[in-house]
Amino acid sequence: DIQMTQSPSSLSASVGDRVTITCRASQSIANSLNWYQQKPGTAPKLLIYAASNLESGVPSRLSGSGSGTDFTLTISSLQPEDFATYYCQQSYTTPETFGQGTKVEIK
Amino acid sequence: EVHLVESGGGLVQPGESLRLSCGASGFTFQDYWMSWVRQAPGKGLEWVANIKQDGSETQYVDSVKGRFTSSRDNGKNSLYLQMNSLRAEDTAVYYCARWRKREVWSLDSWGQGSLVTVSS
Repeated sequence: DIQMTQSPSSLSASVGDRVTITCRASQSIANSLNWYQQKPGTAPKLLIYAASNLESGVPSRLSGSGSGTDFTLTISSLQPEDFATYYCQQSYTTPETFGQGTKVEIK
Repeated sequence: EVHLVESGGGLVQPGESLRLSCGASGFTFQDYWMSWVRQAPGKGLEWVANIKQDGSETQYVDSVKGRFTSSRDNGKNSLYLQMNSLRAEDTAVYYCARWRKREVWSLDSWGQGSLVTVSS
């Protein structure tokens, strides 16, 4: 199975900060990498697919990059609605494994 | 608008069975692969199963193989997860989601989840 490792596991940031979350795959997954956001008590929501494609309706302050084994999710200017947990997922091969999550908290 | 609604969760004892359902609307259900993803309390996301449009192909995470069966009824726009021989470690919120291919596969729409608790 492909292991997905996110860092950091949690971070504290202020509104307006630039935030970067990284995701590393245990083997190359080309661009088969998705990012999801989950707020407490709610279902996950797809943010980015194929490493860098923004899902419809997702604000442009979010962006994704990377290929192969190393990927990043960047929030250019953190907004109050961005405080949540973020997960990466590889869809290169079954089982389609998730990272352990990165919780973004208010400083 | 895509809408997915899970039902059927509850409290069961170890070794018992439970069947989850997921009703779909707002899209042509028979055109899409569908998935189940679960989340144990306070933990991260775990992919559980995929099922092809016509139900002819299914995929499962190793920990549920032989115990869980995903099926679908395209005439009823419904997805099912039959869970047998349940264990304490199966306790989780179970989400159904649409598995969509756009350049790569992703889970682009999710239900609200159904809680399954396995405890004596």
